[in-house]
Amino acid sequence: GAVVSQHPSWVICKSGTSVKIECRSLDFQATTMFWYRQFPKQSLMLMATSNEGSKATYEQGVEKDKFLINHASLTLSTLTVTSAHPEDSSFYICSARTNLVSRGRNEQFFGPGTRLTVL
Amino acid sequence: GENVEQHPSTLSVQEGDSAVIKCTYSDSASNYFPWYKQELGKRPQLIIDIRSNVGEKKDQRIAVTLNKTAKHFSLHITETQPEDSAVYFCAPRSGAGSYQLTFGKGTKLSVIP
Repeated sequence: GAVVSQHPSWVICKSGTSVKIECRSLDFQATTMFWYRQFPKQSLMLMATSNEGSKATYEQGVEKDKFLINHASLTLSTLTVTSAHPEDSSFYICSARTNLVSRGRNEQFFGPGTRLTVL
Repeated sequence: GENVEQHPSTLSVQEGDSAVIKCTYSDSASNYFPWYKQELGKRPQLIIDIRSNVGEKKDQRIAVTLNKTAKHFSLHITETQPEDSAVYFCAPRSGAGSYQLTFGKGTKLSVIP
């Protein structure tokens, strides 16, 4: 149980285009979803936190107009990288948590990640 | 925000030996202390976690110890095996109610057969 999927697993796009990444909790309702970015050989950096039905909270230094996050339902959050540039190339990982004690409400369940390459 | 330091950044051990990774955090309100293992190109996997009301937890060859007074917790892996080779991250959770994890910079563990 507690499965989180991401789509696509990898994407290559041209500079200036927009890319949408989906994060789904498959067998639980996600109260909160988190988006991380990980550059090669570096740690996971939290980009934003989103709660269903409300606006995402972005970390300092993350441009909210560039990284659009939508958490329209309890099982789906999307991250859209707008006007992507080569420096946006990275591994994007989402995670989800639930308020249900029975599903381990302290734990974040991670998606498999999306490798974005901007040419 | 939470400041997290993880040491060492790289660690090489002979197969069968033990490995210890230490994580120091700054937020005294932190109440949840997980360790993640990440293999190249894959998602982080939770391997063990501990709550703030417990000092030590063990799961087979893996253990975590917590010193809340000193604000650090450590990952202990005994009888290491080549498949333990990966990058390990600590990610203490702030007690501010946000459920956010702050990841350490990671430790690359290499187990030499």
